[in-house]
Amino acid sequence: GDSVTQMEGPVTLSEEAFLTINCTYTATGYPSLFWYVQYPGEGLQLLLKATKADDKGSNKGFEATYRKETTSFHLEKGSVQVSDSAVYFCALSNAGGTSYGKLTFGQGTILTVHP
Amino acid sequence: EAQVTQNPRYLITVTGKKLTVTCSQNMNHEYMSWYRQDPGLGLRQIYYSMNVEVTDKGDVPEGYKVSRKEKRNFPLILESPSPNQTSLYFCASSSRGGEQFFGPGTRLTVL
Repeated sequence: GDSVTQMEGPVTLSEEAFLTINCTYTATGYPSLFWYVQYPGEGLQLLLKATKADDKGSNKGFEATYRKETTSFHLEKGSVQVSDSAVYFCALSNAGGTSYGKLTFGQGTILTVHP
Repeated sequence: EAQVTQNPRYLITVTGKKLTVTCSQNMNHEYMSWYRQDPGLGLRQIYYSMNVEVTDKGDVPEGYKVSRKEKRNFPLILESPSPNQTSLYFCASSSRGGEQFFGPGTRLTVL
């Protein structure tokens, strides 16, 4: 079955540091890939997405590129802020047949950014 | 405002006492899902629904029931809750293409 693996956390950074959170996946077919963010006490919000190989999703200074050859979708940000402190989830959707709407999630990575 | 709502937000109950967590969306989405979030495990899908009267099991359906009598509502039913169902529950809805909108979560504690 489909699966998503994220780098072990938690991750602690100083403000303005560079962020990378690794994500790799196993899936049949051509999945869509997502990064979701969960701020403390809130539900998940879509951060960015990519629907085909070599697509780059970007939002709020975050970027991730869909790499089919390495089955990866690593999240990056050049300069993090305290307000980026949250839990980040990598996910995939295999939109075929009865998989519509279903997301398979990684385990989540807790990011803490200190001033 | 487009949103997914869940009620209650917090619930403490005892083993065996039936409970229902409601979920409603106002985006006319066909697809709705329930997930549970546990530390170190991410979110795991419990049940999903592709349309009214069409539901199917996700990855961890044991101990849960759902129904989809109306397009906007997708309640999660625990007939006989047990402590291992203590978790954070999220309802989500989506259009075709996999982008899901999540509710604010329901934190359930079963004593």
